[in-house]
Amino acid sequence: AQTVTQSQPEMSVQEAETVTLSCTYDTSESDYYLFWYKQPPSRQMILVIRQEAYKQQNATENRFSVNFQKAAKSFSLKISDSQLGDAAMYFCAYRRPRKLVFGKGTKLTVNP
Amino acid sequence: EAGVAQSPRYKIIEKRQSVAFWCNPISGHATLYWYQQILGQGPKLLIQFQNNGVVDDSQLPKDRFSAERLKGVDSTLKIQPAKLEDSAVYLCASSPEPPGANVLTFGAGSRLTVL
Repeated sequence: AQTVTQSQPEMSVQEAETVTLSCTYDTSESDYYLFWYKQPPSRQMILVIRQEAYKQQNATENRFSVNFQKAAKSFSLKISDSQLGDAAMYFCAYRRPRKLVFGKGTKLTVNP
Repeated sequence: EAGVAQSPRYKIIEKRQSVAFWCNPISGHATLYWYQQILGQGPKLLIQFQNNGVVDDSQLPKDRFSAERLKGVDSTLKIQPAKLEDSAVYLCASSPEPPGANVLTFGAGSRLTVL
C-alpha cells in the first residue's frame, strides 16, 4: 500500500524567509505523480505544485519549488520569500494509478 | 470557470440521526470524489465516481454511508445513522478527463459535528 509521511506536524517561518516542508512516501511503482496541496483556514484545498515521477527536473511555481529525490522517495517543498498568506496546512499527496493518498499535513505559521 | 460547490457548509446533528451532503462539480469534469477529513489528519478517499459509475468505494463504511451521482453530474453523500466518529469535514473534488485527470479541484467542504 502506498503511504505518505509528513514528519513535521508544525513549522514556523519569519516573513520573507525560506522554509522547507518534508515529505516521504512508500511505493513500489515507477510511474506516479506527487503533489503539494495548501489548505488555508477556509478549508478549500488548493494545488500548489506537482511533480511527475518520470521527470528528473524539479518542479517550480513562482516562490514554490520541490526537491524530488526518487531513489530516496523524498519530496520536499521549499517556500521562498514567505508571505503571511502562505500560512496554512500543507499536504503532500501521492497519486497512482487513480487514487490520491494524502499525508497528515504540516501546519505552517508565518510570523510578521 | 465556477468551482466545486458544496452544501451545507456546516451541519450539527445528534448521533443516530441522518445527514446528506450535496456536491456540484466543475462542469464537464467526469470524475468526482468524496473525501473525509478528520481533524488533524489528511483527507481520506471515501468514494470515487467516473461519470455515473463507482470506481473505488473500498473505504466507504457501507453500513451507514451511501453516495450517488445521478446523470454523471451532481452527487449526494448520505450518512445514516451518524456516529460520533463521523464528525469531520467532507470534501468533494472533481477532475477532468486525461491529460488533466491528475489535478483535482476541491470544494470548500461540509463540516459535520455529531453530538
